[in-house]
Amino acid sequence: AQSVTQLGSHVSVSEGALVLLRCNYSSSVPPYLFWYVQYPNQGLQLLLKYTSAATLVKGINGFEAEFKKSETSFHLTKPSAHMSDAAEYFCAVSYSGGSNYKLTFGKGTLLTVNP
Amino acid sequence: GAVVSQHPSRVICKSGTSVKIECRSLDFQATTMFWYRQFPKQSLMLMATSNEGSKATYEQGVEKDKFLINHASLTLSTLTVTSAHPEDSSFYICSAGDGYNTEAFFGQGTRLTVV
Repeated sequence: AQSVTQLGSHVSVSEGALVLLRCNYSSSVPPYLFWYVQYPNQGLQLLLKYTSAATLVKGINGFEAEFKKSETSFHLTKPSAHMSDAAEYFCAVSYSGGSNYKLTFGKGTLLTVNP
Repeated sequence: GAVVSQHPSRVICKSGTSVKIECRSLDFQATTMFWYRQFPKQSLMLMATSNEGSKATYEQGVEKDKFLINHASLTLSTLTVTSAHPEDSSFYICSAGDGYNTEAFFGQGTRLTVV
């Protein structure tokens, strides 16, 4: 069974500050890991993904995440927050050995960016 | 990337009526699509896996007679909420994989309000 834990349901940062959104996973098999962003009343947009290649993954809009197997973590970072980054962020895991399109999501982290 | 289109984006229906939501893969064929439900300020919960040409696979606790899923072609899956009640009001999102990329692609979501 797989699960995802996102620490912090709400993160607030100042514009220009570092963004750190935490994600820990549990999986009995090698996972695929994803970060999605959701704006109000919209679907999900993929920010980045880990699929067993490089452990440091770079995504869109300046975001990146590092897969750390020893810590079972996949934290999302961005060096400098922008007002447009304010949104809900979801970490998700799928099973690399089977249907990798079936996702288990974390509860989400709402990112607020203050001017 | 592959495009998944969901229609309608917003629907209001009266209690007791049925409403159909469509999920289309526009530029690829999808033998499997997924339906998620998202309550306000909460995460996405997988409702069911829609399989082309066969019955859907429902997650535990999801009423299959209330949430009818039909996947009649490789590009279209439909979710019909039957005898809708106010507690069915939610945001419904579909997703599909194109068989080439490792990530699923999401529709824009449907906001259902039952009055």
